[in-house]
Amino acid sequence: EAQVTQNPRYLITVTGKKLTVTCSQNMNHEYMSWYRQDPGLGLRQIYYSMNVEVTDKGDVPEGYKVSRKEKRNFPLILESPSPNQTSLYFCASSPIAGGTDTQYFGPGTRLTVL
Amino acid sequence: AQKVTQAQTEISVVEKEDVTLDCVYETRDTTYYLFWYKQPPSGELVFLIRRNSFDEQNEISGRYSWNFQKSTSSFNFTITASQVVDSAVYFCALMKPGGYNKLIFGAGTRLAVHP
Repeated sequence: EAQVTQNPRYLITVTGKKLTVTCSQNMNHEYMSWYRQDPGLGLRQIYYSMNVEVTDKGDVPEGYKVSRKEKRNFPLILESPSPNQTSLYFCASSPIAGGTDTQYFGPGTRLTVL
Repeated sequence: AQKVTQAQTEISVVEKEDVTLDCVYETRDTTYYLFWYKQPPSGELVFLIRRNSFDEQNEISGRYSWNFQKSTSSFNFTITASQVVDSAVYFCALMKPGGYNKLIFGAGTRLAVHP
């Protein structure tokens, strides 16, 4: 089944404890990105990747890192999480970078930073 | 700058009522794409429709219909004969070609359909 998977789905952590949220797609998509969803703000892009080893900042990159060592994986890293990073996170992918294809979203990861 | 406004924060209707969710967008581009996504209580994002700026034809899919009007920069979504299963948060989004696939989302409209 074609899908985008994220792990974990739920995470409660404490300020400053490094964490990684994994994202994987099995559709051989070039493009992957991360969004965060906050009440009243909709979804905002954190980082995106046009292909392996090609990543760039979105609208709200502060406090986050990403890497794209393999085409299928695009982990989101929070080196020192803070309470303002409590949010619902979505990974998305689409077939071609720079195109206008519909993006497919993962199931979401609900992160709480205490 | 690009922007999407969904002025209705929450809408509450009774089953079988028709309901329209408003979406107004801002962009200086002549070519762009508009999307609607549904987020049910389970939290995932479900793609509903994609429309390019050159296609102003309205679209109907079952009980769902979309009205795209470039003159008013609006892309409204109507659910006919609403059902409890339509209860969700609905997001309107904008994308421009060459914009690195970035979606600009509105704040979302929470629709509650009561029996």
